Amino acid sequence: DSGVTQTPKHLITATGQRVTLRCSPRSGDLSVYWYQQSLDQGLQFLIQYYNGEERAKGNILERFSAQQFPDLHSELNLSSLELGDSALYFCASSAALGNQPQHFGDGTRLSIL
Amino acid sequence: DQQVKQNSPSLSVQEGRISILNCDYTNSMFDYFLWYKKYPAEGPTFLISISSIKDKNEDGRFTVFLNKSAKHLSLHIVPSQPGDSAVYFCAARGLNTCTASKLTFGTGTRLQVTL
Repeated sequence: DSGVTQTPKHLITATGQRVTLRCSPRSGDLSVYWYQQSLDQGLQFLIQYYNGEERAKGNILERFSAQQFPDLHSELNLSSLELGDSALYFCASSAALGNQPQHFGDGTRLSIL
Repeated sequence: DQQVKQNSPSLSVQEGRISILNCDYTNSMFDYFLWYKKYPAEGPTFLISISSIKDKNEDGRFTVFLNKSAKHLSLHIVPSQPGDSAVYFCAARGLNTCTASKLTFGTGTRLQVTL
């Protein structure tokens, strides 16, 4: 158990809809990261938050947005969903300083029908 | 542009033998490298890491070697056990300040340890 909690585990929805994925980081971790893993691909970095503020951005679509709340949990919002958005979405957290590994949750599997 | 490459999609090794998983990278700004193991329906689990100032790091059965001049790292598992069967991801950290960081992942190598 990594200590990172993601909900829901599975999400099935239709094109054009909007969904919210939730992540609770490990206790004490201030950084939260979101990654997308499409079929048979590596994990692609989307965005990072540190203590409530955006710190780094990857190849995140404009239809996607995220935020980190005062209690440090984070949400990833995906809107105007397309078939190609079907993927595993992982959240990770880490301590901010030094060479600290990121610890991952078990992901949310998003299926667009 | 695949900055972290794992050219072997799969590897099969007998129990008790050494497993060697390889990873190449192109970005000379990467300063920290990690290996993750992933079982189906679970998130990646951190295994071992190495800073760019070192060339070897060992943790039990797992050893990571870094060759900066060749931009190559490898993970050695000795001895291999059936429970090691999983997908292994190599990752590298690029952008890094004390509060900003991102990992770039390879596409993974599926290791199967046979009896």
